[in-house]
Amino acid sequence: KAGVTQTPRYLIKTRGQQVTLSCSPISGHRSVSWYQQTPGQGLQFLFEYFSETQRNKGNFPGRFSGRQFSNSRSEMNVSTLELGDSALYLCASSLWQGGDGNTIYFGEGSWLTVV
Amino acid sequence: TQLLEQSPQFLSIQEGENLTVYCNSSSVFSSLQWYRQEPGEGPVLLVTVVTGGEVKKLKRLTFQFGDARKDSSLHITAAQPGDTGLYLCAGASGGGADGLTFGKGTHLIIQP
Repeated sequence: KAGVTQTPRYLIKTRGQQVTLSCSPISGHRSVSWYQQTPGQGLQFLFEYFSETQRNKGNFPGRFSGRQFSNSRSEMNVSTLELGDSALYLCASSLWQGGDGNTIYFGEGSWLTVV
Repeated sequence: TQLLEQSPQFLSIQEGENLTVYCNSSSVFSSLQWYRQEPGEGPVLLVTVVTGGEVKKLKRLTFQFGDARKDSSLHITAAQPGDTGLYLCAGASGGGADGLTFGKGTHLIIQP
């Protein structure tokens, strides 16, 4: 079956702009989570959506938001971009919510560069 | 805040050598997962360990979960160039309430 698909793969934005990233989970998976990966901080949990509701949220400012649609596809949005938002944004899908005993599958990520 | 410390951060060895990567925390995790990530790709799950003291083998890779479920190790025997990549450990806190907590990873290079 098709894996987790993220678009766009690469993008460059200017400080102050906003960006929307998209994620299509594996068919049948209802949970989508987002992570930010940087060389300095590694992988950090942003938020998780299950059945169109945000279930968990990491320690990121309110500029980072997301949503999930009825078909389980998800989008995340970052407003008022800062240079430090440059990172690889990874989407992961799983059958149910939470990380305990729940295999998650990652997409290839969206590389965001803020200039 | 739960933290996972991985060591070493970088490791470069010759093909055929053995190595061990460590993942330590002061927190207890209900399960711990190991991932491998190659450049330009997302992390791929290698194994999940759940029980304290558990040992799992995946070909030349051996994973161990500490008795207290606070630490884990990954041992690779007779490393091959194809083992090159970023190895990440990730802990789940249980109850299905939180996302995974990741270590910063070990960059492994196996030179032929």
